[in-house]
Formats: sequence, C-alpha cells, structure tokens
Amino acid sequence: GAVVSQHPSWVICKSGTSVKIECRSLDFQATTMFWYRQFPKQSLMLMATSNEGSKATYEQGVEKDKFLINHASLTLSTLTVTSAHPEDSSFYICSARDSSGVFSATDTQYFGPGTRLTVL
Amino acid sequence: SQQGEEDPQALSIQEGENATMNCSYKTSINNLQWYRQNSGRGLVHLILIRSNEREKHSGRLRVTLDTSKKSSSLLITASRAADTASYFCATMITGGGNKLTFGTGTQLKVEL
Repeated sequence: GAVVSQHPSWVICKSGTSVKIECRSLDFQATTMFWYRQFPKQSLMLMATSNEGSKATYEQGVEKDKFLINHASLTLSTLTVTSAHPEDSSFYICSARDSSGVFSATDTQYFGPGTRLTVL
Repeated sequence: SQQGEEDPQALSIQEGENATMNCSYKTSINNLQWYRQNSGRGLVHLILIRSNEREKHSGRLRVTLDTSKKSSSLLITASRAADTASYFCATMITGGGNKLTFGTGTQLKVEL
C-alpha cells in the first residue's frame, strides 16, 4: 500500500521545450502533494506545495510561471517545466500526504520514484 | 535556510557493525522523519518521531529525539550491505503546513 508513482521516470528534451511530469497516489487520496528537486549528491529542496482544487504554493525563489503545477484530482498532480533550459536538468521527486489516514498518520508523506530530466 | 545539518556526510562500515547518523535542526518542530534513498531512486520512509517522543524503534532502527538540543539520531544495528544508501532527516516545523525540510544527508556504505 501507500504507493506513489511518477511518469515518466526519465526524459530528455531539447532546450526551449516544455515537459510534463505526473505524480499519482495509487491507493490513497492526497489533497496535498509536494514537488521537490534534487541535484546530484545534494539534498531535496521543496519547490512547491500542490493543493487539490486550488493554486499551488511556491517556495521562495521558485518561478511559478516556469514550473506550472496542476492538482486536478485527489490522486494526480502534474508539474510542467516550461521552456526548459539545461540548468533545469535535475531529479524531480513528488510526495503525497495520506490525507485520509488510510496507511498512516496524515503527516506522513510517501515519495514517488522520481523523474530525471535532462535538457540538452 | 531552515535546512538541517547531518553528520557525518559519509560513513563507511563493515557488515554487522552499527551505524549512527546525527541530524540537527533550527526551529520548533511537530515531528522529525527519517528517509532512505538508494542511488538515483525515490525516498523510502523509515520512521517518524513526534516532538513529544524521545525514542522510537522499528526493527533494526532506533531513533532518538532531543528537542532541547534540536537534534536527532538514527541508529542502524547489525548493518547489512543492503543498507547502503543515503539517509536524510526531515523536519515538519510547527506552523509549517505539513511541509518537510530535509537535512543534508548521510551517505552510508556497508561493506562485506
């Protein structure tokens, strides 16, 4: 139980294109999901909090127009990297909070396997 | 930055030995969580300890929390080669809206 999936697991794109990454909670509802990025051998940095049915909340320094987040259902959040550039190359990881408390206390986050984005 | 510090940054031990990792943080917290990450993969939740708890066990894992010192430790007993991974602590700060702030991580290598 408590599985979070991400798609795609890796993507290579040309500079200037947009890339959409999906994050799904497979067996629980998640009113809140989180998006992180991780550079090689570094820790995770929170980019934004995705809220079902409302606008995402972005961390300081994260451009909301560049990293578009949509949380249209209780099990799906998407992150779109618009006009991607080589400096956007990173490992993007989402997590989902078990808002229904099916598997654990509601303050436990379950993480997806990550998406490696490479922008040429 | 609210990011916590972990030490050591890297730890290499022999199979069967115990591994201890420490985490320090800066603000008042609701809970502290430990995660494991294998190279290039997602995170696996290991254990959550609340601010009113001092120690918690799960299998070969023992976590302590000292809120007066704003620090936590993760002990892995009788380590195995499969424990080789990066370990991160993450704090959920009071009034932070369920956001997690991750520490810098400890890279653990368990050798046969």
